[in-house]
Amino acid sequence: DTAVSQTPKYLVTQMGNDKSIKCEQNLGHDTMYWYKQDSKKFLKIMFSYNNKELIINETVPNRFSPKSPDKAHLNLHINSLELGDSAVYFCASSYGGDTQYFGPGTRLTVL
Amino acid sequence: QKEVEQNSGPLSVPEGAIASLNCTYSDRGSQSFFWYRQYSGKSPELIMSIYSNGDKEDGRFTAQLNKASQYVSLLIRDSQPSDSATYLCAVEPPSGSGGYNKLIFGAGTRLAVHP
Repeated sequence: DTAVSQTPKYLVTQMGNDKSIKCEQNLGHDTMYWYKQDSKKFLKIMFSYNNKELIINETVPNRFSPKSPDKAHLNLHINSLELGDSAVYFCASSYGGDTQYFGPGTRLTVL
Repeated sequence: QKEVEQNSGPLSVPEGAIASLNCTYSDRGSQSFFWYRQYSGKSPELIMSIYSNGDKEDGRFTAQLNKASQYVSLLIRDSQPSDSATYLCAVEPPSGSGGYNKLIFGAGTRLAVHP
């Protein structure tokens, strides 16, 4: 009965590769988010979707492309991975402006 | 100037003491404020939310908000070793500044409660 789940939990890849991270929530929420937490533990929002519509798009390289096929899923595709992309990526969801619930995170390591 | 500032710590307190965590924010129009707890290697989990000036208590936790001073704090009474974690302050900026459901996080304060 996991609320917000992400796959994979760990991702190790080479520079230049393309990878995807998937997120699913079973809370009935209508808003989903991607956050990046860097090595200094600073958590920063990247994207947000409300009812499959992109509503927040922070200053993120266009190598990052989110996609929300439905309200319960939000994926993140990253092209041409760079060393600086190494971080923990958290998915979160909420109902409108209510409390955001975070997934377990995906630790991405780019070699 | 950082939008949400916290002392990175570590803040070390003895078991049973009161831990006081502080946070300041720059956008005066912000209306919603949150404290998240993050254990090492885990995801953030909500501890408290506060929207009005004053205090809000929930068990051993008390959140305090002073909008005039742009200051929000979290007090943890009777601190336990299990409270040892990083505490993240998050602020929701006004929606007019592209802040629809957007949370701006501070860098977090690491709390260490020693027996």
